[in-house]
Amino acid sequence: DQQVKQNSPSLSVQEGRISILNCDYTNSMFDYFLWYKKYPAEGPTFLISISSIKDKNEDGRFTVFLNKSAKHLSLHIVPSQPGDSAVYFCAASALYAGNMLTFGGGTRLMVKP
Amino acid sequence: KAGVTQTPRYLIKTRGQQVTLSCSPISGHRSVSWYQQTPGQGLQFLFEYFSETQRNKGNFPGRFSGRQFSNSRSEMNVSTLELGDSALYLCASSPTGTGRGNTIYFGEGSWLTVV
Repeated sequence: DQQVKQNSPSLSVQEGRISILNCDYTNSMFDYFLWYKKYPAEGPTFLISISSIKDKNEDGRFTVFLNKSAKHLSLHIVPSQPGDSAVYFCAASALYAGNMLTFGGGTRLMVKP
Repeated sequence: KAGVTQTPRYLIKTRGQQVTLSCSPISGHRSVSWYQQTPGQGLQFLFEYFSETQRNKGNFPGRFSGRQFSNSRSEMNVSTLELGDSALYLCASSPTGTGRGNTIYFGEGSWLTVV
């Protein structure tokens, strides 16, 4: 069973507009969530994270929102830039599980000029 | 500061053979984790080593094994290779063992093709 799901395999947005990437989880033991960006033939690069004690975390153009009751988080990118085109992975971790990350299937974001 | 280094970057093996992949973590990092990325299954956790001890293990068959050396370098081994083992194998290192924050760094991966 997939404990972390990204239901949109792809997303296309216009440059300058907002990109919203969504992620759902089922395991209530997850208490820390991360977003990674990945280009082909490269390893994932950390973008932003959020602890379950918060509902929002912001870093420049990137904001992550967490809705614990709905077990849902989203990544907002404003404004979107062509260089943001990549695959975005949502990941979750639980305090008892050390550095084990459970990843969603990824969303391919395409930002059109 | 050097990043996470994985070798080899690309390799082709024949079904039934075995393969060993190597990972050198960032200096000072004591945790090394391994992940498998395939088109169908996404990124899946294989195992984590912390100070030479396996701390967590994912849901993979016993053909997949790993170890960590005293200098924190890690190797993973896959025996009796199957076609489905073709994947990108990613190594991640971290100075801590908590999975918190932006402290998990990934290497570029080793592309394994089994023919």
